[in-house]
Amino acid sequence: SQKIEQNSEALNIQEGKTATLTCNYTNYSPAYLQWYRQDPGRGPVFLLLIRENEKEKRKERLKVTFDTTLKQSLFHITASQPADSATYLCALADSGNTPLVFGKGTRLSVIA
Amino acid sequence: DVKVTQSSRYLVKRTGEKVFLECVQDMDHENMFWYRQDPGLGLRLIYFSYDVKMKEKGDIPEGYSVSREKKERFSLILESASTNQTSMYLCASSLSGRSYGYTFGSGTRLTVV
Repeated sequence: SQKIEQNSEALNIQEGKTATLTCNYTNYSPAYLQWYRQDPGRGPVFLLLIRENEKEKRKERLKVTFDTTLKQSLFHITASQPADSATYLCALADSGNTPLVFGKGTRLSVIA
Repeated sequence: DVKVTQSSRYLVKRTGEKVFLECVQDMDHENMFWYRQDPGLGLRLIYFSYDVKMKEKGDIPEGYSVSREKKERFSLILESASTNQTSMYLCASSLSGRSYGYTFGSGTRLTVV
């Protein structure tokens, strides 16, 4: 069966450190993968998209990698701040114009 | 600022009522989606639409229907609300094609009593 797994339900790190979140998938062949941020009681906000032919994508303090052999994406936040505390969701769509399927998310807490 | 607007942030309805959740986007997006989000279950797709008057079932369409009479508006209908439909409902829209992110609304927290 198809699965998207974000390995950690919750992650606590100290301010200033790099947070690394993992997204693994099974039985998908995604052409791209997306990451979203969700604050409590709000809708997810799109952060980054990475295509299958891109190994790495950066946006300010965010970095995403995509390894189609390992079927894994890593999401890094460098120099983390308390304001980065939120739930982060990975999402992908199988081939064709199918809707996104979301992982259950990792709740990140950055402690000052 | 482009956005997706959901008509209510909080809603309390009685079992058996017919409930309408409205979603409007101002970005001229072709695609619109309804998800529900529950603790431990994540986001689950209810229905989606890639064009006006077009609708497709998602993973959990039972007990729901949708309407898309205009491009900017996508309505979710709970035909006869039940307590297991208590949830956070999220509407999203996107441009056509696979390489675009979704824009979500703020969500409607529906409680069925």
